[in-house]
Amino acid sequence: GEDVEQSLFLSVREGDSSVINCTYTDSSSTYLYWYKQEPGAGLQLLTYIFSNMDMKQDQRLTVLLNKKDKHLSLRIADTQTGDSAIYFCAERSGGGADGLTFGKGTHLIIQP
Amino acid sequence: DGGITQSPKYLFRKEGQNVTLSCEQNLNHDAMYWYRQDPGQGLRLIYYSQIVNDFQKGDIAEGYSVSREKKESFPLTVTSAQKNPTAFYLCASSPLSQWSAFFGQGTRLTVV
Repeated sequence: GEDVEQSLFLSVREGDSSVINCTYTDSSSTYLYWYKQEPGAGLQLLTYIFSNMDMKQDQRLTVLLNKKDKHLSLRIADTQTGDSAIYFCAERSGGGADGLTFGKGTHLIIQP
Repeated sequence: DGGITQSPKYLFRKEGQNVTLSCEQNLNHDAMYWYRQDPGQGLRLIYYSQIVNDFQKGDIAEGYSVSREKKESFPLTVTSAQKNPTAFYLCASSPLSQWSAFFGQGTRLTVV
């Protein structure tokens, strides 16, 4: 079945860039997402990318997709304390509404 | 304001009891989902529904039941058959033909 892998923790200094990586196994993935979860809260959609794109930029967020290597990354420029959260990578295959497959989430820790 | 509302935010259940978690959306989305989140486990799909009066099992449906009598409502019942029900439960919805899912704020269920 599909699998999405992320490292569990990332620690960066305030003001630096954060790069959160994700790999997936389903070659038929058509949509890939990044969600943010703050403590005790639901998931907030940050950004997404279609599989026919290589890059997408949205203010401080840059998503890079290497479809050949099945690798997705989220770069957060000028990381702030408010960026401290768990970041989930997720993928959806095809156009079906049978749910997303999530990674286990990466805890982003901001050092002052 | 459009959105997804889960209630209650915190729920305590005695062993052997069934309990129902509420999820309501006013986004006019066709598809609705229930996920379970455990620490370090990411999100796992319990049930999903693409249309009223129809639903499908996800990856971990055992011990759970759902109904979809109205488009805007998708309650989840955690039955006494669920061996380890303590978790954070997240409801989500999406338009059928669209690419993203929007999440509620979650219900934390604790068995005491």
